[in-house]
Amino acid sequence: NAGVMQNPRHLVRRRGQEARLRCSPMKGHSHVYWYRQLPEEGLKFMVYLQKENIIDESGMPKERFSAEFPKEGPSILRIQQVVRGDSAAYFCASSPPTGTGLLDTGELFFGEGSRLTVL
Amino acid sequence: KNEVEQSPQNLTAQEGEFITINCSYSVGISALHWLQQHPGGGIVSLFMLSSGKKKHGRLIATINIQEKHSSLHITASHPRDSAVYICAVRSGGSQGNLIFGKGTKLSVKP
Repeated sequence: NAGVMQNPRHLVRRRGQEARLRCSPMKGHSHVYWYRQLPEEGLKFMVYLQKENIIDESGMPKERFSAEFPKEGPSILRIQQVVRGDSAAYFCASSPPTGTGLLDTGELFFGEGSRLTVL
Repeated sequence: KNEVEQSPQNLTAQEGEFITINCSYSVGISALHWLQQHPGGGIVSLFMLSSGKKKHGRLIATINIQEKHSSLHITASHPRDSAVYICAVRSGGSQGNLIFGKGTKLSVKP
């Protein structure tokens, strides 16, 4: 059973370009979360999505950042017109649907992260 | 003041030592997570707890809701335990909307 898969693991972009980060949740998981870890700082929540719905985007910057989790395919975090301050590690986590009994422990399963460097 | 404070920031131990990492928080919470971030950067969830104590192998996590404090203990520490340990709390937000501590960097020497 594959874990949470993120790609690319490393991405280099020049200022003004777009960055797309992908996250495939664990099999059977329908909840996806994105977090950002800036250099020398702690993790920060960005957004929580379920299939085709954004549930909580209170941690997303208002401009240039967007996220989606389509019915088919991975969740995508999109950063438009990247700036140097966007350089960070972006982590995705997933969890099973709520109310699934023993499966629903509230535990989060994290991917290995995608490291974005903006030149 | 951060809503989630961890201590110590850095910890060096000798193999075999008993280790304690502390987490204090200033907000009401519904759950507390302990995470491990490997030197390569990947994150593993160790525990999620809302009361009492949980044990998994050599790891023990406790929480005192009244005192707003949690501890992570590692018994018989080993160099492979070297990692950053992160405390995170869920406080009124949606599932997964966590407030993270800055982490405790543990180094276990052989």
